[in-house]
Amino acid sequence: QSALTQPPSASGSPGQSVTISCTGTSSDIGGYDYVSWYQQHPGKAPKLMIFDVSKRPSGVPDRFSGSKSGNTASLTVSGLLPEDEAAYYCSSFEGGNNSVVFGGGTKLTVL
Amino acid sequence: QLQLRESGPGLVKPSEALSLTCSVSGGSISSRAYYWGWIRQPPGKGLQWLGNIYYSGRTYYIPSLESRITMSVDTSKNQFSLKLNSVTAADTAVYYCARRVDHRYTLDVWGQGTTVTVSS
Repeated sequence: QSALTQPPSASGSPGQSVTISCTGTSSDIGGYDYVSWYQQHPGKAPKLMIFDVSKRPSGVPDRFSGSKSGNTASLTVSGLLPEDEAAYYCSSFEGGNNSVVFGGGTKLTVL
Repeated sequence: QLQLRESGPGLVKPSEALSLTCSVSGGSISSRAYYWGWIRQPPGKGLQWLGNIYYSGRTYYIPSLESRITMSVDTSKNQFSLKLNSVTAADTAVYYCARRVDHRYTLDVWGQGTTVTVSS
């Protein structure tokens, strides 16, 4: 069982926007601005898409955005493209154990 | 451009030790700005962070594996390693090495991953 809770699936049509949630506790998401999001295509390594809640690494399209409210973080993908179809994982610093915890992942389908 | 590459046996017998190495190229493992970590992903499941090591040798392991896990670093070879003792089928997974940004707890560069199967 993952420390952070994500919906197992999400979907949207090309051009639409979709938001994926990631719920934790005050010991992780709610207590620190160290939320990251990773994209993973089948058989590939995860790729960092968002760090520090809402910052994008160089090369990540601005269609990807992150936010946080209380104990819940969110990833929004705007203007969906077929190549956005992948699994998305959230992670956070967890202060109780001084560790990194992940969500269970959300499979995004572009219809 | 920084690249990480995992290497090691793909098959390990139950009760034996799993040993993997991550080779770092395009940058120095001795950079003070980063930690070097291991993450695994069981078949069809999500990601699990196992811990990380600093170039000085300082380590952090997740509590559930602390009794079985050892990480080490070889700065002369620009490599770091993972050893997991007394493996069971539950340790079967794709193992990734990654760079963790200090003070940020984000994993910004990942290796391609290596599959380790525990089976007799």
